[in-house]
Formats: sequence, structure tokens, C-alpha cells
Amino acid sequence: AQTIHQWPVAEIKAVGSPLSLGCTIKGKSSPNLYWYWQATGGTLQQLFYSITVGQVESVVQLNLSASRPKDDQFILSTEKLLLSHSGFYLCAWSGTGPYEQYFGPGTRLTVL
Amino acid sequence: GQQVQQSPASLVLQEGENAELQCNFSTSLNSMQWFYQRPGGSLVSLFYNPSGTKQSGRLTSTTVIKERRSSLHISSSQTTDSGTYLCAMESDSNYQLIWGSGTKLIIKP
Repeated sequence: AQTIHQWPVAEIKAVGSPLSLGCTIKGKSSPNLYWYWQATGGTLQQLFYSITVGQVESVVQLNLSASRPKDDQFILSTEKLLLSHSGFYLCAWSGTGPYEQYFGPGTRLTVL
Repeated sequence: GQQVQQSPASLVLQEGENAELQCNFSTSLNSMQWFYQRPGGSLVSLFYNPSGTKQSGRLTSTTVIKERRSSLHISSSQTTDSGTYLCAMESDSNYQLIWGSGTKLIIKP
């Protein structure tokens, strides 16, 4: 069975500080990977997706970047956090057809 | 652009009543996915439904491409069904989901 793990569970960070969020998928070879963001009370917004190692496509950047250093790992980062980065970050994976997406538990980020 | 309209925004029912949630989409659809969002924010996939009807226990999803709609039916609702339900449309790009704004469902005992 496939499992998806996100870290950290929650973060409280200062404006201007760097950020790195991670996501690991076990039990699935060459998954498609996705990052989403949800502001408190807001609609889910897709940020990035990756269909292969080293390749990441941006959907909405929000002054964030993403990388896929390994087949099973997806990283979301920024060098300088903004207040607007606060919210809930979700990682998901899918197969290569059908494209049903499965989500991780999420990371709650508070920027002060 | 591509849009998904989800309705109602909120729904309050007595335990035992049936719930009907709807999503209407504006363009061509590859599939509609339905999720339950837990109070903590994590998402549970309920259905992946490109067309037709799928059932899982008390939940039924129906997608009608010609009418550009997908629905989620919950029969004999229970208090534990309370929460937020989201639909997400997989359209021209297999790698992007377009999200509805959610239905907040409250089931009273």
C-alpha cells in the first residue's frame, strides 16, 4: 500500500525567514506529485506538479519554489517568507492514468 | 476560464435525512473527484468519477457529462458525516485540478 508523509506537521516562522516543507511517498514507483495551498477559510489552490525527477511545473507560484530531488520526494521552499504564505500546505500523488489524487496529512504554516 | 461551481455553500440537516451536493463545470471534463475535508484540513478521497454512477456505502456519486454536473448523495445522514465536502475537476490537463469552493455540511442529532 502507498503511504504519503509530510513534514513538519506545523511550523511557526517569522516574516523574511526561509522555509522548507517536505513530502515523501512510499510504495509507488514514479508517481506524479503535487503541491497545494489553502488559506484559512479559502479555496484550495494548486501550486506545482512534477511528473518526473528533476522536473517541476509551476501552476501558481506565490513566491515559492519546488523541487523533486528523488523519485519519492517533493520539496516546497522559499528564501523569504511573507505573511501571505500562512495557511495549510498539502502534498498529493497520483498514478500516470487514471489521475486520481491522494493527499498527505498536510502542514500548517503560520507566518508572524 | 475553467470553473467549478459547487452548491450549496452550506447545508444543515437532521440526522437520517438525505444530502445532495452538486458541482457544475464549465468546460470539458476528464473526471470529477470528490473529497471530504477533515476539521484539521486533511483530505479523504471519496470518489474518482469520470462519468456515470459510483456507490460506496451510503455515498453515491453521479457524473453526467452532457449536463456538465456531478453530484454527491449521502443517504441516511449521520452526525459523523458533518464536515466540508469538496469537488475537484480534472480537465484538459491531467495534472491540474480545478476546485469547487466546498459545501459545509452540518448534521444535527
